[in-house]
Amino acid sequence: SQTIHQWPATLVQPVGSPLSLECTVEGTSNPNLYWYRQAAGRGLQLLFYSVGIGQISSEVPQNLSASRPQDRQFILSSKKLLLSDSGFYLCAWSRQGGEKLFFGSGTQLSVL
Amino acid sequence: AQTVTQSQPEMSVQEAETVTLSCTYDTSESDYYLFWYKQPPSRQMILVIRQEAYKQQNATENRFSVNFQKAAKSFSLKISDSQLGDAAMYFCAYRPYDGGTSYGKLTFGQGTILTVHP
Repeated sequence: SQTIHQWPATLVQPVGSPLSLECTVEGTSNPNLYWYRQAAGRGLQLLFYSVGIGQISSEVPQNLSASRPQDRQFILSSKKLLLSDSGFYLCAWSRQGGEKLFFGSGTQLSVL
Repeated sequence: AQTVTQSQPEMSVQEAETVTLSCTYDTSESDYYLFWYKQPPSRQMILVIRQEAYKQQNATENRFSVNFQKAAKSFSLKISDSQLGDAAMYFCAYRPYDGGTSYGKLTFGQGTILTVHP
């Protein structure tokens, strides 16, 4: 069966510090990978998606970047965090051409 | 651009009763998917039910069913025999049918917080 791992679960970072959130998927190959952000416990906003190694598409301009160094690894990064980067970040995957998204357990990021 | 609207920020229901959560969407596409996701206090997003737009029959998953009105662009979720474990935030989501190409992105509504009273 497929599983998705996301870490850390919580993170408190000072403004201006770097960020690295990691997500890995097991039990499948060549998945589509996604990073979503949920602000203030409300709707989810798609930040990035990837259809293959090294292929990243950004949905909104922002202070964050994403990378996919391996087939089942997706990383969300920032060189200098802003207060507005605080939120709940969710990684997700889907099969190529599949309509269902499967989510990780999320990372609560607080930038102080 | 597609938009998804959930007009009920909060809803409540008595245990064992039935509740309906509303969702409307806007799209110019004819083929697409609609979903309801549940986010309990653990914040894990859990797929509750999905509907393909080309299917007229409403989807059902145990106590969960939908009322899909394509012409009205309405997609409501009915929870029957509500249980305490149903308490969560519920999100309606839309995904275009991409003809089998390699990606599909969900557009989410703002969510409805469901409280279940014992």
